[in-house]
Amino acid sequence: KNEVEQSPQNLTAQEGEFITINCSYSVGISALHWLQQHPGGGIVSLFMLSSGKKKHGRLIATINIQEKHSSLHITASHPRDSAVYICAVSNTGNQFYFGTGTSLTVIP
Amino acid sequence: KAGVTQTPRYLIKTRGQQVTLSCSPISGHRSVSWYQQTPGQGLQFLFEYFSETQRNKGNFPGRFSGRQFSNSRSEMNVSTLELGDSALYLCASSLTDYNSPLHFGNGTRLTVT
Repeated sequence: KNEVEQSPQNLTAQEGEFITINCSYSVGISALHWLQQHPGGGIVSLFMLSSGKKKHGRLIATINIQEKHSSLHITASHPRDSAVYICAVSNTGNQFYFGTGTSLTVIP
Repeated sequence: KAGVTQTPRYLIKTRGQQVTLSCSPISGHRSVSWYQQTPGQGLQFLFEYFSETQRNKGNFPGRFSGRQFSNSRSEMNVSTLELGDSALYLCASSLTDYNSPLHFGNGTRLTVT
């Protein structure tokens, strides 16, 4: 059983579309992270949140602690957003768990 | 400010050998964590160090070990390499712990033949 589940696994969108990636978790958490990984391996931390909502440019992350669910939204998607998006949580025991990732392709 | 630096970038080893990977965190960051990424298992947490002490450990065999030096630089060691240890090994640093944003290095790609 995975502590962190992401959906969808793969996503193809047209440039300009609004994109949502979902993450559900089963453990008590102290923080949830959204990560972006481009081909070649480098990982960038997009958001770290423990409640509410955060926005950075065209990216928005929300979390609902009661429902143990988080979403990552990309508005006005662009081909450069093509990457793997990974949800990760750190729990109250300071263990770290990763989702399997969502591979996003944005077509011009 | 320099980012997280991992060396070497690529490494090829033979089964049974051992390997040491290095991670230099962002200046001022005291927490360093290590991760293994494989196509089959995805990203998995190996361990985390803070002020030279291992605070947390993932579910990996004892062949995987690490340490952190007083300047926060960290090394990870894998002994008696197996084919299944072929992976991308990533480290990340943060100011204090997982409640601080993580900054990842570019990783070391280890191939075991």
